[in-house]
Amino acid sequence: NAGVTQTPKFQVLKTGQSMTLQCAQDMNHEYMSWYRQDPGMGLRLIHYSVGAGITDQGEVPNGYNVSRSTTEDFPLRLLSAAPSQTSVYFCASSYIAGGDHEQYFGPGTRLTVT
Amino acid sequence: AQKVTQAQTEISVVEKEDVTLDCVYETRDTTYYLFWYKQPPSGELVFLIRRNSFDEQNEISGRYSWNFQKSTSSFNFTITASQVVDSAVYFCARPNNDMRFGAGTRLTVKP
Repeated sequence: NAGVTQTPKFQVLKTGQSMTLQCAQDMNHEYMSWYRQDPGMGLRLIHYSVGAGITDQGEVPNGYNVSRSTTEDFPLRLLSAAPSQTSVYFCASSYIAGGDHEQYFGPGTRLTVT
Repeated sequence: AQKVTQAQTEISVVEKEDVTLDCVYETRDTTYYLFWYKQPPSGELVFLIRRNSFDEQNEISGRYSWNFQKSTSSFNFTITASQVVDSAVYFCARPNNDMRFGAGTRLTVKP
């Protein structure tokens, strides 16, 4: 199993550009989520999905969109990048939500918005 | 929101010292889980332990031990005889659909 994969690893955007961060898992996990990590703030949940076709907002959803058309993929879209979105983004998945199962994290995407 | 608080931002110890990382959580649930993760300088997140609220027994795994106390809403993590390789940021987390992480504690172990 490849586990949770994320692409790209690094990205630089100009303010106002849009892009999609890709996340895929091959473990048949129902639950997938996106976090951003900023210095001194831990990981904050952006959006999550409890299954294909179902998404919901987390703690910091503004400026981001998600969709879940398949169990495997959970892309994160930045609609109009802003410098405040400079961060490291992690995708995670688990068999189900709620803590009964470990969450597996991808390697992260480091995004810089200039 | 059900917060997770890690009050210690940074801790520095000398190798072989014992160190305890604190975690205090809020919850309205009667059944819940708590996690600890390690993030070494390479940046990946490494799962360390999962505990559920029914089990308040302390857990020991090698040099690592965890003390879970529902009465004080705490889930503290102790490293015994610390090593340089333990240097990392450690996160406590409260899993749910809307998962919450603490801000993390950066541990530096000096030789």
